[in-house]
Amino acid sequence: AQTVTQSQPEMSVQEAETVTLSCTYDTSESDYYLFWYKQPPSRQMILVIRQEAYKQQNATENRFSVNFQKAAKSFSLKISDSQLGDAAMYFCAGMTGYALNFGKGTSLLVTP
Amino acid sequence: GAVVSQHPSRVICKSGTSVKIECRSLDFQATTMFWYRQFPKKSLMLMATSNEGSKATYEQGVEKDKFLINHASLTLSTLTVTSAHPEDSSFYICSASPMPGDGYTFGSGTRLTVV
Repeated sequence: AQTVTQSQPEMSVQEAETVTLSCTYDTSESDYYLFWYKQPPSRQMILVIRQEAYKQQNATENRFSVNFQKAAKSFSLKISDSQLGDAAMYFCAGMTGYALNFGKGTSLLVTP
Repeated sequence: GAVVSQHPSRVICKSGTSVKIECRSLDFQATTMFWYRQFPKKSLMLMATSNEGSKATYEQGVEKDKFLINHASLTLSTLTVTSAHPEDSSFYICSASPMPGDGYTFGSGTRLTVV
């Protein structure tokens, strides 16, 4: 099974600035997927970005990008040009087999 | 994109009664669906894997007789909380995907309150 650790319970960023959320994981698998999900106050889980372990290139989705360090088992999320709508809980998740294992989450506050 | 619908969004029930929550994949077939439970300000905890046409697989510590899962078709999984008690009050979320590697789509969740 894969364990996922998010060591930042809360983070704060000013609007238009950049913030990085940390995530580390542990797995014995060679093939796996990593995800970042966003959960706003509505509690709807929204997929932000995904990374395939065998791809060395870091995934990017508009203002969201990851820094995937496979050897270090690190998978951080960078949010550029932060917007008020980015305020939410962010969960890092790993998938081996079919089930997702989530980290404890990071609450992101965006200040004007 | 893949759409997962979950109903009801909120339910209040009396202690001792049973509550059924539905999870539907609207535009794809799902042989596997997942049920999670989330406590306030906490992460999602996987409860069980729902398998179409066969028994669900429950995570350690989850009472299968309390949380009955039925996956009778390729688009519908149901979670029934039987003989509900106040400690069963929680947020329950389902998820599914036509291509798991592309990421899972989640239902909008069900807030269960047992009084």
